[in-house]
Amino acid sequence: NAGVIQTPRHKVTGKGQEATLWCEPISGHSAVFWYRQTIVQGLEFLTYFRNQAPIDDSGMPKERFSAQMPNQSHSTLKIQSTQPQDSAVYLCASSSWDRGTEVFFGKGTRLTVV
Amino acid sequence: DAKTTQPDSMESTEGETVHLPCSHATISGNEYIYWYRQVPLQGPEYVTHGLQQNTTNSMAFLAIASDRKSSTLILPHVSLRDAAVYHCILRVAPGANTGKLTFGHGTILRVHP
Repeated sequence: NAGVIQTPRHKVTGKGQEATLWCEPISGHSAVFWYRQTIVQGLEFLTYFRNQAPIDDSGMPKERFSAQMPNQSHSTLKIQSTQPQDSAVYLCASSSWDRGTEVFFGKGTRLTVV
Repeated sequence: DAKTTQPDSMESTEGETVHLPCSHATISGNEYIYWYRQVPLQGPEYVTHGLQQNTTNSMAFLAIASDRKSSTLILPHVSLRDAAVYHCILRVAPGANTGKLTFGHGTILRVHP
């Protein structure tokens, strides 16, 4: 079990460019979560999916951010027209919905917008 | 809004038993108490969770007050590897429409040789 896999681990984009972050949840897990972490704000919930369907996106910025889960083996977080304030570590996590006990986190993608 | 209150930081020495407190005075009947820890450059790692009864596993012992308004994570014989930020989180019971974890800033545990 390789755990939750996030790629790339580091990404540098220029201001105004698009950034796509990838997440491969643990096989068999039906719940996938996205979080953002900064020094100032700490760990912030963004959105989550259950069985590929979006359930709660209350933490997603209304503009420029979107998340998808086209199949059970991967999810993407896309940021359009990136801004310096988008610089953060983006964490993906997954869990087994039926049991729902542990939520397993990936190592994150560090996004730097220059 | 933060639903749990933890000290900003705690200090310990290798080999000691550490007690990390968490206050959750407004906990609801269907909320579980979860503990996660995070070290730099890694995502949060599950430590333990409980509802009402004390629980124990290979990592820690979770003591839950009888009124459930507070809990204590007990780490026996800490080592340098236990230095991390420890988060106490309330999470609605699995299977509900929302299973997200809401993190606060946690307690920074420093362990000295």
